[in-house]
Amino acid sequence: AQTVTQSQPEMSVQEAETVTLSCTYDTSESNYYLFWYKQPPSRQMILVIRQEAYKQQNATENRFSVNFQKAAKSFSLKISDSQLGDTAMYFCAFTTNAGKSTFGDGTTLTVKP
Amino acid sequence: KAGVTQTPRYLIKTRGQQVTLSCSPISGHRSVSWYQQTPGQGLQFLFEYFSETQRNKGNFPGRFSGRQFSNSRSEMNVSTLELGDSALYLCASSFAPQGGQETQYFGPGTRLLVL
Repeated sequence: AQTVTQSQPEMSVQEAETVTLSCTYDTSESNYYLFWYKQPPSRQMILVIRQEAYKQQNATENRFSVNFQKAAKSFSLKISDSQLGDTAMYFCAFTTNAGKSTFGDGTTLTVKP
Repeated sequence: KAGVTQTPRYLIKTRGQQVTLSCSPISGHRSVSWYQQTPGQGLQFLFEYFSETQRNKGNFPGRFSGRQFSNSRSEMNVSTLELGDSALYLCASSFAPQGGQETQYFGPGTRLLVL
């Protein structure tokens, strides 16, 4: 069984600063996919970034980047130049090659002006 | 392309009743997954359908069932509703012919309140 742990229930950051959200997972599978999703107060879940486990290069998407440490089973999300619109709950998710997904409990991020 | 749509958006039921939720995936997407989101349990995977077949299943009781039609639209049914079934039910679609490598696109959810 897969587990995903987000150890920070809540975080806050000042606008324009950088923040890192932590995620660790446990699995016995060798090939899988990792995602960060954002759920703003509107509740619409939106993909932030994805990482294939077989790729060593860390994924980057504009101000969002990940630090993927496969051996440590760690998948943290770094948000640079934080904006007020980044305020949301962030979910780390793990998907097996067969398509079964496990989500972490989420981290509520507040960006302060 | 239109996004994932879910109907109804809000629903109030009483204990013991049953409910059916509907999800229309993005055009061309063949995989539909369902999730239950509650404040206490986070986001829990219910099941995934691909080409009208249940391909993956989470750890929910048999009261929770689903199906997928030939046009990829999916329905989820919950029978004998309990107070604890009150939650936001999210549907997500992806192309996913080979499973988990595809990004999931989520609908806005159906908020179910069981009284």
